[in-house]
Amino acid sequence: KAGVTQTPRYLIKTRGQQVTLSCSPISGHRSVSWYQQTPGQGLQFLFEYFSETQRNKGNFPGRFSGRQFSNSRSEMNVSTLELGDSALYLCASSLTGGDNSPLHFGNGTRLTVT
Amino acid sequence: AQSVTQLDSQVPVFEEAPVELRCNYSSSVSVYLFWYVQYPNQGLQLLLKYLSGSTLVKGINGFEAEFNKSQTSFHLRKPSVHISDTAEYFCAVSRSGGSYIPTFGRGTSLIVHP
Repeated sequence: KAGVTQTPRYLIKTRGQQVTLSCSPISGHRSVSWYQQTPGQGLQFLFEYFSETQRNKGNFPGRFSGRQFSNSRSEMNVSTLELGDSALYLCASSLTGGDNSPLHFGNGTRLTVT
Repeated sequence: AQSVTQLDSQVPVFEEAPVELRCNYSSSVSVYLFWYVQYPNQGLQLLLKYLSGSTLVKGINGFEAEFNKSQTSFHLRKPSVHISDTAEYFCAVSRSGGSYIPTFGRGTSLIVHP
């Protein structure tokens, strides 16, 4: 079974621009979560989608948004980029997103904002 | 809400020595516990999980962890480490009984020296 695929692996953007990151979950997984990882803050939860609906949301500003398609693929968008948005963005999928359902992570997208 | 504390940000150890990475959690309800490993430039990978039953859990790559409810701990151990175990290790806790998002610790960097 193919793992979680995130594209692109690396991105360099300028302040004020917007960016879209893509995530293809493991086949059959219906839950997709997004995390931001930085050296200072560790892993911070952005949001979770299940069956095309946002089911859980972290404490991030409205500039961060996402969506999930009928095939469970997910995208996240960051508008009006700030320098502080530079981070590794990780996508994780699981069968149901339930409490005991382990997360399967992609290798991430490294976003650098200059 | 639950929280996770990984007591050591960095653990240096020599090859073939034993290692213990400490994790404490707090929660007012029953929890599920996980350890994940992150190798450089990769996403997180599940090492092991505790859902119920035996408090000693065995995972991949020779790692094991013990759930201690009275001390609210879930320490990760390996009797003999290899250079290839050098990575970041994350403890995570999830509330049982719903689609709750796991809370991750800040991570422990295991550095294995030859």
